[in-house]
Amino acid sequence: AQTVTQSQPEMSVQEAETVTLSCTYDTSENNYYLFWYKQPPSRQMILVIRQEAYKQQNATENRFSVNFQKAAKSFSLKISDSQLGDTAMYFCAWQRVGTYKYIFGTGTRLKVLA
Amino acid sequence: ETGVTQTPRHLVMGMTNKKSLKCEQHLGHNAMYWYKQSAKKPLELMFVYNFKEQTENNSVPSRFSPECPNSSHLFLHLHTLQPEDSALYLCASSQVGGQSGEAFFGQGTRLTVV
Repeated sequence: AQTVTQSQPEMSVQEAETVTLSCTYDTSENNYYLFWYKQPPSRQMILVIRQEAYKQQNATENRFSVNFQKAAKSFSLKISDSQLGDTAMYFCAWQRVGTYKYIFGTGTRLKVLA
Repeated sequence: ETGVTQTPRHLVMGMTNKKSLKCEQHLGHNAMYWYKQSAKKPLELMFVYNFKEQTENNSVPSRFSPECPNSSHLFLHLHTLQPEDSALYLCASSQVGGQSGEAFFGQGTRLTVV
């Protein structure tokens, strides 16, 4: 069975600094997506970044980038120039391509300090 | 309105009450989901509807009853709940077989059972 593990329940970072959130997963599948979702205090989860497993190049979205290590089954999220609005729960998720099933981690609560 | 909309945002109910949660998506997606989010636990998938057909029921107690009248609307009917059912209930939608795999979430209903 697929699992997603986020080993950091809580983290904090100073404004304008860089922080990395870790995620590991376990799967025997070869064709899948990995996601990072953000859930701010307003509760609506929104997609931060997405990675297709067949792509070797790490995905980047503005200040957000991932370090995707397929062999190690690791998918970390790096947030550069952290902003107060980045304060949220961050969830790592896995999905086999073409299916409806997502596997989520337990989340990392990130607090950005002024 | 765009995206995924859930009502109500907050709900307090007694153990003998009957209530319903509503979800509506305006994205033309073919799959809709109910998740339960409790503190320090991964998101728990409760039900999935794919093209209005229920394709997943993760051993959810019968006091939770889903209804999907069409591909845009999803309900969760609640009756004789227990205090441990208090949680954030999230609705999501996605396009299975689409290009991105991304799930879009509503803002959730915070349910308190007293």
